[in-house]
Amino acid sequence: EAGVTQFPSHSVIEKGQTVTLRCDPISGHDNLYWYRRVMGKEIKFLLHFVKESKQDESGMPNNRFLAERTGGTYSTLKVQPAELEDSGVYFCASSQAGVYRGLASNEQFFGPGTRLTVL
Amino acid sequence: KQEVTQIPAALSVPEGENLVLNCSFTDSAIYNLQWFRQDPGKGLTSLLLIQSSQREQTSGRLNASLDKSSGRSTLYIAASQPGDSATYLCAVSRDYKLSFGAGTTVTVRA
Repeated sequence: EAGVTQFPSHSVIEKGQTVTLRCDPISGHDNLYWYRRVMGKEIKFLLHFVKESKQDESGMPNNRFLAERTGGTYSTLKVQPAELEDSGVYFCASSQAGVYRGLASNEQFFGPGTRLTVL
Repeated sequence: KQEVTQIPAALSVPEGENLVLNCSFTDSAIYNLQWFRQDPGKGLTSLLLIQSSQREQTSGRLNASLDKSSGRSTLYIAASQPGDSATYLCAVSRDYKLSFGAGTTVTVRA
């Protein structure tokens, strides 16, 4: 079974440009999450989709960030215009809430991340 | 706001020694706790998930305990191997989103 995939693996852009990151979750996973780690900090939650609906976007830093999940499959995260402080690693994760060893679970599976550098 | 702390930040041990990694969190109202492993330049690999009602979970050489009332979890790795060298991350969840610690970077010397 394929895991969570992300594209591109690396992106280097100039300040003010636009970048779009893509995430393909594990097939059948209704829950999709975006997280990011900026230099020297912990991984922070950005937002959560359930199918195509945004369930929680409390971690989105500002309105320069736009996430979509059309059709409830893959998701994109667009940064427009990019600023220097947006540099970091953006992770996508997915989960299918269900049962794990007999108990309700929401184990999240992560992709390899996209390293974004804004110059 | 949930704060997750992992101590120590780095750990170096000789091969064969047991590893003990600590995680503490400030808000005990959690849904579950997940331990991850991250290799350099790679994504996060889920190791163990402990539900809030559980006390521990085991997988092979890995054992994770959870004391929700005191806000602590410990990951034990028995008989460490050089292949266990990585950064280990602890994350707690409430309402689905995960709150992460900064991680413990482990080096196992051959």
